[in-house]
Amino acid sequence: GQNIDQPTEMTATEGAIVQINCTYQTSGFNGLFWYQQHAGEAPTFLSYNVLDGLEEKGRFSSFLSRSKGYSYLLLKELQMKDSASYLCALRTGGSYIPTFGRGTSLIVHP
Amino acid sequence: EAQVTQNPRYLITVTGKKLTVTCSQNMNHEYMSWYRQDPGLGLRQIYYSMNVEVTDKGDVPEGYKVSRKEKRNFPLILESPSPNQTSLYFCASSFPGDNSPLHFGNGTRLTVT
Repeated sequence: GQNIDQPTEMTATEGAIVQINCTYQTSGFNGLFWYQQHAGEAPTFLSYNVLDGLEEKGRFSSFLSRSKGYSYLLLKELQMKDSASYLCALRTGGSYIPTFGRGTSLIVHP
Repeated sequence: EAQVTQNPRYLITVTGKKLTVTCSQNMNHEYMSWYRQDPGLGLRQIYYSMNVEVTDKGDVPEGYKVSRKEKRNFPLILESPSPNQTSLYFCASSFPGDNSPLHFGNGTRLTVT
């Protein structure tokens, strides 16, 4: 099985930078996803990491260290619409269906 | 438009009355899955399917059934719903590639009284 840990809640100021961490313990690592979920809506895909390092995609970047079982999602130039839950999800072994962490609720205030 | 369609969006029912939540995808995805989402617990996998006629239990399968008779459809069946199955349910699908993300339906909010 796997154990995925994320902070429950974070707050940040509009225009700032925030880093949301995800640590995990698993065997047979096969990739890590980040999803964004606004309240009452479906999760939407943000990023995928399978190799160590930083993947940049506009205002959002995601980092992975497989040896440390650690990933983070970096959000720059925060906007009010970035207030949402951010879900870290692991893909392991032969299953292509990922397992999700409990998510981090990000509140962006003016 | 590529999408995962769940129905109904909202459902209120009573304990013990069998119900089915439908899920259909038009992207020819092999993999489909059902999750339930509860406050403080995140998304928990109920059942998943890697292809037609192949289904497996996830982390919280008790009280649920699924079937995968066709590639596009993956219904979730609650034979005898109970109040602890009150939750927000999501169906999702993807291709089998390593970097293929899940596509989610819009969710079904189920209340069992």
